[in-house]
Amino acid sequence: RKEVEQDPGPFNVPEGATVAFNCTYSNSASQSFFWYRQDCRKEPKLLMSVYSSGNEDGRFTAQLNRASQYISLLIRDSKLSDSATYLCVVGGFEGGKLIFGQGTELSVKP
Amino acid sequence: DAGVTQSPTHLIKTRGQQVTLRCSPISGHKSVSWYQQVLGQGPQFIFQYYEKEERGRGNFPDRFSARQFPNYSSELNVNALLLGDSALYLCASSLGQGPWEQYFGPGTRLTVT
Repeated sequence: RKEVEQDPGPFNVPEGATVAFNCTYSNSASQSFFWYRQDCRKEPKLLMSVYSSGNEDGRFTAQLNRASQYISLLIRDSKLSDSATYLCVVGGFEGGKLIFGQGTELSVKP
Repeated sequence: DAGVTQSPTHLIKTRGQQVTLRCSPISGHKSVSWYQQVLGQGPQFIFQYYEKEERGRGNFPDRFSARQFPNYSSELNVNALLLGDSALYLCASSLGQGPWEQYFGPGTRLTVT
């Protein structure tokens, strides 16, 4: 079983749509949780950290359920510029290791 | 403020050769981590260095080594290159050793022929 699992997609949605990404992780000792965005052939960029209370940044909302070991990302009112791969990431382990999911590809069409 | 910088941006090597990749963290960040990303997968953790000491190591062979300098910059060395080492090598910097956010550099794309 992969340590962090995501639906690889691709998710093809029209502009203005709401899209949700889900992620599960296997290590209950995980202490930190993030969503990164990665454009084609570029480096991952931190989108947002995810807290147990949930957090929102503009059109983006992230949720964490520690009991179910489940993380989600909701994007409202999708823009063409949201097209990218979204990486679910867990960390907080000894040695600073971050564990990445394989990523979910999003394509927003006009 | 400058972000994480890496050099070179691209590199082509042949099997059996050795390669050194370089990284400078964000000013004020003391921790550098290295990741390998092959096409279609998420980055895989190789090393973390903090205060010039190795603090974490991923599941990579001993051909991979790294070090951190007093100015917190870092080098990743890979010996006896294999075709399977072809990947994007990413450096990430963070404030410290703990569960901090990590910020990535643009990466070095290594091709082994």
